[in-house]
Amino acid sequence: AQSVTQPDIHITVSEGASLELRCNYSYGATPYLFWYVQSPGQGLQLLLKYFSGDTLVQGIKGFEAEFKRSQSSFNLRKPSVHWSDAAEYFCAVSTGNQFYFGTGTSLTVIP
Amino acid sequence: KAGVTQTPRYLIKTRGQQVTLSCSPISGHRSVSWYQQTPGQGLQFLFEYFSETQRNKGNFPGRFSGRQFSNSRSEMNVSTLELGDSALYLCASSLEGLGGNTIYFGEGSWLTVV
Repeated sequence: AQSVTQPDIHITVSEGASLELRCNYSYGATPYLFWYVQSPGQGLQLLLKYFSGDTLVQGIKGFEAEFKRSQSSFNLRKPSVHWSDAAEYFCAVSTGNQFYFGTGTSLTVIP
Repeated sequence: KAGVTQTPRYLIKTRGQQVTLSCSPISGHRSVSWYQQTPGQGLQFLFEYFSETQRNKGNFPGRFSGRQFSNSRSEMNVSTLELGDSALYLCASSLEGLGGNTIYFGEGSWLTVV
C-alpha cells in the first residue's frame, strides 16, 4: 500500500538557521510529489511540487526540495528560516487516482 | 484569480443530523477533491469529482457522499453525523485531476458535531 512518512513530528530551529524536513514515500512508480504548509486554522498552501525532470525543485518563500528516487525521499529545505515560517508542513503524494498525506511536521522558530 | 472557496467556514451540528458543505473551485478547474483532517487520523482523501462524475474514492463509509455540478462547483454531504465526524473538511481543485496537476486547497469548513 502507498504511504507517506514524515519522521519528525516536531522540529524547533532558531531564526536564521537552515531547515530540512524529511519525507519518504512508498509507491511502486514515480509519484507526483508535493509540499504544503498550513498555518493554524487555515487551509493548505502549496510550497512546491515535483512531477518530472530536474530533481531539485524551487518553491515559494525560499523553499526547495530534492527528489531522490533511490531513497524514495522528497526532503524540503530552506537555507535561512524566518519566524513567519512557523507552521505545519505536509508532504503529499499523488498516484493519479489517490492523494496521500504524511502526518505533518510542526515547525517552531525561536528568535 | 479567485482561489478555492468553501462555505460555510464554521458550523455546529448535532449527532444524527446531516450536513452539506459547498466548494467553488478556481475558475477553469474541472477537478474537485475533498479531504478530512482530524487530529487523530490526519489528512485523508475522501473523493474526487471530474465533469460531474465521481472519479476516485478514498476509504470512507457511504455516509460521506458528494456531487459536482455543471459549473464544477461541488458539494459534500455527510449523513447521520457521528461525533467522530468533527473535523476540518478541505476542498481542493485542479485543472484535470490528481495526476500531474497542481492541486489548490481552500480554507476549509470546520465541522463540530455535538
